[in-house]
Amino acid sequence: AIQLTQSPSSLSASVGDRVTITCRASQGISSALAWYQQKPGKAPKLLIYDASSLESGVPSRFSGSGSGTDFTLTISSLQPEDFATYYCQQFNSYPTFGQGTRLEIK
Amino acid sequence: QLQLQESGPGLVKPSETLSLTCTVSGGSISSSSYYWGWIRQPPGKGLEWIGSIYYSGSTYYNPSLKSRVTISVDTSKNQFSLKLSSVTAADTAVYYCARHFRAAAALNWFDPWGQGTLVTVSS
Repeated sequence: AIQLTQSPSSLSASVGDRVTITCRASQGISSALAWYQQKPGKAPKLLIYDASSLESGVPSRFSGSGSGTDFTLTISSLQPEDFATYYCQQFNSYPTFGQGTRLEIK
Repeated sequence: QLQLQESGPGLVKPSETLSLTCTVSGGSISSSSYYWGWIRQPPGKGLEWIGSIYYSGSTYYNPSLKSRVTISVDTSKNQFSLKLSSVTAADTAVYYCARHFRAAAALNWFDPWGQGTLVTVSS
């Protein structure tokens, strides 16, 4: 199985901050990566697919980049509604998820 | 707008079989562009893909669960179902169903997801 390691596991930031979350794959996965946002008690919501394609309806402050083994999710200016847990997911082989990054208010 | 809704018992006894159904509304489960998947999340933990099914009945399963999992589809009811046998406390989780995008004969990302249903394994 392809393992995904997210860093950091948790992060404290303030409204207006620029935040970057990293996802590293245990082997190359080309651009076969998606990012999700999950709020407490809710289902995950797709943000980014194919490593850098923004899902329709997702604010443009979210962006994704990377290919191969190293990927990033960037939020350019944090808004109050962005405090949540973020997961990466690879689909180069059978789907696996990163362990999650919890983004908290500083 | 496509919506998915999980249903089934919230409590299952150890060694028994967990059974859940996902009802799809606002679109057809028989679309050639998608599979339909199950994902679970133990309380306070991360996400684990269980398996996915095409409207024709073709399935893919997580190798770590394959021996215990059966996913089936009922196109007449626009539903697909999950059975997980010989459950233990480790199978306690929120179970989500989701549309699983298919491209170039490969399984891709999940969108949208159902709201999820908590299944507790306990005697």
